[in-house]
This record gives sequence, C-alpha cells and structure tokens, in this order.
Amino acid sequence: AQSVTQLDSHVSVSEGTPVLLRCNYSSSYSPSLFWYVQHPNKGLQLLLKYTSAATLVKGINGFEAEFKKSETSFHLTKPSAHMSDAAEYFCVVSDLTRDDKIIFGKGTRLHILP
Amino acid sequence: EPEVTQTPSHQVTQMGQEVILRCVPISNHLYFYWYRQILGQKVEFLVSFYNNEISEKSEIFDDQFSVERPDGSNFTLKIRSTKLEDSAMYFCASSVPREPTGELFFGEGSRLTVL
Repeated sequence: AQSVTQLDSHVSVSEGTPVLLRCNYSSSYSPSLFWYVQHPNKGLQLLLKYTSAATLVKGINGFEAEFKKSETSFHLTKPSAHMSDAAEYFCVVSDLTRDDKIIFGKGTRLHILP
Repeated sequence: EPEVTQTPSHQVTQMGQEVILRCVPISNHLYFYWYRQILGQKVEFLVSFYNNEISEKSEIFDDQFSVERPDGSNFTLKIRSTKLEDSAMYFCASSVPREPTGELFFGEGSRLTVL
C-alpha cells in the first residue's frame, strides 16, 4: 500500500531565505512522486514530478526536489523564498501501473515573512 | 493552454438536496477523477473513471455519490441527498492515457456548502 507523510503542517521562512518542505513516502513498487501547489482560492498546480529518471527534479518557480530511495524521501526545496510562494504544498505518490489511486499528503502551508 | 474547467465555482444547498458538480476535462484525456478537500483537511480521493465506467473508488464514495460522462465532454459528480459533512471543495482532474507518470491536471474546484 502507498502512503505519503508530510512532516510539517506549517512552515514559516523569511523572504530571501531557503525553503525546505519535507515529504516521506512508502510504496511497494517504484512510485511516481509529485509536488502540487495550491494558492488561495485556486486549483492544484503541478510544481514538479519524479518518474524514475533523474533523481534531482527541477520544477517551476525555482523549486527542486530530490528523490532519495534509501531515505524514502522527496523533499521540496527552493534557495530563496519569495512572497508569492506563500501557499499550500502537497506531496503526492502514485503508481498508476498498479491502480488508479493517487495519494495526497496532508499538505504543508508555507508562510513567507517579510 | 488546455485546462480542466469546473462549474459552479461555489454552490450553497440545503441538506437533503441533490447537487450536480460539472467538469470539462482536457479533450484528449481519457482518465477522470474526483477529489475532495474538507476545510482544513487533506485532499481525498473519491473516484476514478475510465472507458465510461468507474475504475476505482474510495470508501467515501458511497451510494449517495455517482459519476457519469453524459455527452463525451462533461464529467459530472452527483450527490443524491447532501449531508452537512459533504461541505468541501471538490476537485475534478484528468490525465492522459494510463502511464507511469501519472500527472493529473486539476480544475480550480467547486466549493460546496451544505446548510
């Protein structure tokens, strides 16, 4: 069975400082992993995805994530936070070769301090 | 850029009433999904749909819920007799033919408020 854990429900960083949003997963197979972002009153937008190619994945808006199989982690990072990064971030795991379920983490709300 | 569109953006209804939420997926996509997010909680899978039938559903998706693709473009979620706990944001999503990448394209959501 698949599961995903986002370790922090809220993260606050100052503008211009690095961002780290943590995600750990469990999957019986080789999963695909995603980060989605949800801005207030908006839908879910794909930030980046890992699909068994390069372990360091670059996404939009300067975000990156590294797939570490030994640690079963897929943490999201950004070198320098911007005010517009304030949003809810969801880590997602799926294995669509096995079933149609795509499992969401509980989300991490990122606050950017001026 | 193609996108998933959902209507209405917000619906208020009385408990016990029927509600239909509509979605227009991206035109060449074949897999369709409904998710919901109760305020302050995580995004939960409801159902997936392929080839005019449900391919997977969660325990949340009980007999009060149904989905259909009535005309080849719309994908609807019907709640037969709404309960207070159905109040949530409902997201429709679609994806390209089944492949390991599994990227979902989401609509902006329909907020349902049951009074």
